[in-house]
Amino acid sequence: EVQLVESGGGLVQPGRSLRLSCAASGFTFDDYAMHWVRQAPGKGLEWVSGISWNSGSIGYADSVKGRFTISRDNAKNSLYLQMNSLRAEDTALYYCAKGGVAIPSLNWFDPWGQGTLVTVSS
Amino acid sequence: DIVMTQTPLSLSVTPGQPASISCKSSQSLLHSDGKTYLYWYLQKPGQPPQLLIYEVSNRFSGVPDRFSGSGSGTDFTLKISRVEAEDVGVYYCMQSIQLYTFGQGTKLEIK
Repeated sequence: EVQLVESGGGLVQPGRSLRLSCAASGFTFDDYAMHWVRQAPGKGLEWVSGISWNSGSIGYADSVKGRFTISRDNAKNSLYLQMNSLRAEDTALYYCAKGGVAIPSLNWFDPWGQGTLVTVSS
Repeated sequence: DIVMTQTPLSLSVTPGQPASISCKSSQSLLHSDGKTYLYWYLQKPGQPPQLLIYEVSNRFSGVPDRFSGSGSGTDFTLKISRVEAEDVGVYYCMQSIQLYTFGQGTKLEIK
């Protein structure tokens, strides 16, 4: 069974940093692209970032470009999201999601983890 | 950026009755490879989204056949032939031809 377990969320002040992790199991991790998708409280879904199987292709939403960095460690079956210069509008539940193919574009997401909550507030 | 617009934003349906959700994209989702990159997700209460339909009309693994997708270019529809209680939640369409964007979501409740 595919499992994705996010961690690293919490309460952080504006302007500070946070690093999210996603531990994957139940599939061959380095065969697939991986993504981060977020959902602000009571709101819809927003794709944040995606990374190819070998980290050779990476994409970001304009809203996080230059502040967030996605990475992966295939030896550890783990996905990461380094979030710098956090803003109140980054407050959301952050989901890790498995892509349907090896590249991060033209993809679907399934399954998704349960998410980790990031709250940016002073 | 491609904008995805769903209608209606909420739906109240009697069990056993059909339901339909529309999704319109601001640009064509037809790729030069011949595929159309439009997907449907269902987010049940308290759960992460789950994939229902990929590339307009293909049911994902384990999705009941009462769910069907149709459309082309910029206009798409998700239909549920006979709504069941377990279908409650928020339905999202998503495009992946140009990065990824989701529709606003359509909340389905049971009458």
